Amino acid sequence: DTAVSQTPKYLVTQMGNDKSIKCEQNLGHDTMYWYKQDSKKFLKIMFSYNNKELIINETVPNRFSPKSPDKAHLNLHINSLELGDSAVYFCASSQVSGTGNSNQPQHFGDGTRLSIL
Amino acid sequence: GDSVTQMEGPVTLSEEAFLTINCTYTATGYPSLFWYVQYPGEGLQLLLKATKADDKGSNKGFEATYRKETTSFHLEKGSVQVSDSAVYFCALLYTGGFKTIFGAGTRLFVKA
Repeated sequence: DTAVSQTPKYLVTQMGNDKSIKCEQNLGHDTMYWYKQDSKKFLKIMFSYNNKELIINETVPNRFSPKSPDKAHLNLHINSLELGDSAVYFCASSQVSGTGNSNQPQHFGDGTRLSIL
Repeated sequence: GDSVTQMEGPVTLSEEAFLTINCTYTATGYPSLFWYVQYPGEGLQLLLKATKADDKGSNKGFEATYRKETTSFHLEKGSVQVSDSAVYFCALLYTGGFKTIFGAGTRLFVKA
């Protein structure tokens, strides 16, 4: 009964290819996120969706395109992969609305390690 | 803008040593503060949180107190174990906000 699950766990591919990462959460949360973590463990927010609406879109190349078919899913498609895209990508979810002043933490998946050859 | 600053790692300790990882923040309002832990090969998970000034969060022997006067949320543990080896992230979040601001992370190594 994994709370936030991402697939695949590992992705090894060549420069120029297009790939997708899928994320699903079964916590009933209304908000989902994509983060990129570099080799020094620095965590950078990329996108966030609340009830399927895009609400955070940080400075990310437009080769990266998120898609949220429903509240429980947030996928990430990457076109024309580059060497600099090598990183670990984390999906996360949280409940934002209806929690009053009780700020709820984010729940993370185990990450997708993307390696570009 | 809002930010979180953590002490640089890595921090290397012997088992049963006392741990402090410093965290200070800059915020225009009154956010909630969190510590997350990331074990090797896993995602971040919540370790503890505090929602207002003078609150103390605690979990698994770790503690942190929300100090508004010093804008700090330092993580402490009285006696670390090898299994505490991980990366620790300090973070802040505003009520109703969508964006959690994370620190850069501090790697902890505990030797037997």
